[in-house]
Amino acid sequence: QSALTQPASVSGSPGQSITISCTGTSSDVGSYNLVSWYQQHPGKAPKLMIYEVSKRPSGVSNRFSGSKSGNTASLTISGLQAEDEADYYCCSYAGSSTYVVFGGGTKLTVL
Amino acid sequence: EVQLVESGGVVVQPGGSLRLSCAASGFTFDDYAMHWVRQAPGKGLEWVSLISWDGGSTYYADSVKGRFTISRDNSKNSLYLQMNSLRAEDTALYYCAKDEAPYSSSWFFDYWGQGTLVTVSS
Repeated sequence: QSALTQPASVSGSPGQSITISCTGTSSDVGSYNLVSWYQQHPGKAPKLMIYEVSKRPSGVSNRFSGSKSGNTASLTISGLQAEDEADYYCCSYAGSSTYVVFGGGTKLTVL
Repeated sequence: EVQLVESGGVVVQPGGSLRLSCAASGFTFDDYAMHWVRQAPGKGLEWVSLISWDGGSTYYADSVKGRFTISRDNSKNSLYLQMNSLRAEDTALYYCAKDEAPYSSSWFFDYWGQGTLVTVSS
């Protein structure tokens, strides 16, 4: 069982917006603004999409945005495109004992 | 262009040992902390270990503490993971990943290799 809880799957039609939640605890997501999100296409390495809750690396579309409220972080993808279909993982720093925790991953299907 | 190329993954028997390597290029290797992250077949991501930019500090997930050792050779731009007392549950694709922050640890990963597969089976 993963330390962070994500929905197993979400879906949306092209052009729509979807949000993926990532629920942790006061020991990880709730305590640190060190939440990151990764996109993984089948057979490929993960790609950083969001870091420090809401920052976008250079080259990542502004259709991707992140936020946090309490112990829950969220990734929103607006204007869904076919190429967004992938697995998405959230990740958080969890302090000087556990260090890093991941969510179990969410499969995004673009209908 | 940042490149991370892992190697060393093989089939190994339970209780055996293995050393993974990661060759880095395209950035100043000795400025950055480095991580190992693994992914069991069909499963999610699991952080394994971190080593600081100078090799002076190391951190491990509880699941591998005492069995795995992370190290680096900055003169060779290389990262290593020595894996001992391997178990079936260590079967996974092992990725090396670059930390984003120079001379520190941001605890997220801005570049990843393609991974090397470790299978623990008799």
